[in-house]
Amino acid sequence: DTAVSQTPKYLVTQMGNDKSIKCEQNLGHDTMYWYKQDSKKFLKIMFSYNNKELIINETVPNRFSPKSPDKAHLNLHINSLELGDSAVYFCASSQITGDTGELFFGEGSRLTVL
Amino acid sequence: AQSVTQLGSHVSVSEGALVLLRCNYSSSVPPYLFWYVQYPNQGLQLLLKYTSAATLVKGINGFEAEFKKSETSFHLTKPSAHMSDAAEYFCAVSRSGGYNKLIFGAGTRLAVHP
Repeated sequence: DTAVSQTPKYLVTQMGNDKSIKCEQNLGHDTMYWYKQDSKKFLKIMFSYNNKELIINETVPNRFSPKSPDKAHLNLHINSLELGDSAVYFCASSQITGDTGELFFGEGSRLTVL
Repeated sequence: AQSVTQLGSHVSVSEGALVLLRCNYSSSVPPYLFWYVQYPNQGLQLLLKYTSAATLVKGINGFEAEFKKSETSFHLTKPSAHMSDAAEYFCAVSRSGGYNKLIFGAGTRLAVHP
């Protein structure tokens, strides 16, 4: 039973389109994250939500809009896709209460913008 | 502010040789430190973590790391490399307490040759 699951695993789309990536965790964690991994494998945090409330927004363009309908889900919607948005997007979760600092990651969603 | 520097973007070892992946961190508060491994086309898996308990931390797959405050280092070692250890390894830092924002190093690609 997958702890952090993302869909879809692969997206290929044209510039200018809008796309969404969904993430769900069944670990009972209260905090979820989106990370972007670029072509050089560099990982950078984009957003973090704690109990549906946005707590970290790392100066990501407004075209990226996260939504957390409940603490087990964190979706990422991207408008007007650009070539530079091509990357692997990772969802992660952690438990703040009794914090050990560990993040649990999904398997990633590879977005290719043509 | 916190940051992580991984020395060497590529490390190549022979099967059976010692693996040493270097990580130095910068943190103005007591850090939590992590090593994650990423196999091709997969998500990140936690190898081990330091959260202010024992300075020598043992992880999965025979890896261990030692927290050295005086050197601000958290190097990852394994006495004998296996072919299956070939992967990308990421060192990460976060601060103890509060909302976790894992800051990753640029990664080190480990190649293991026969």
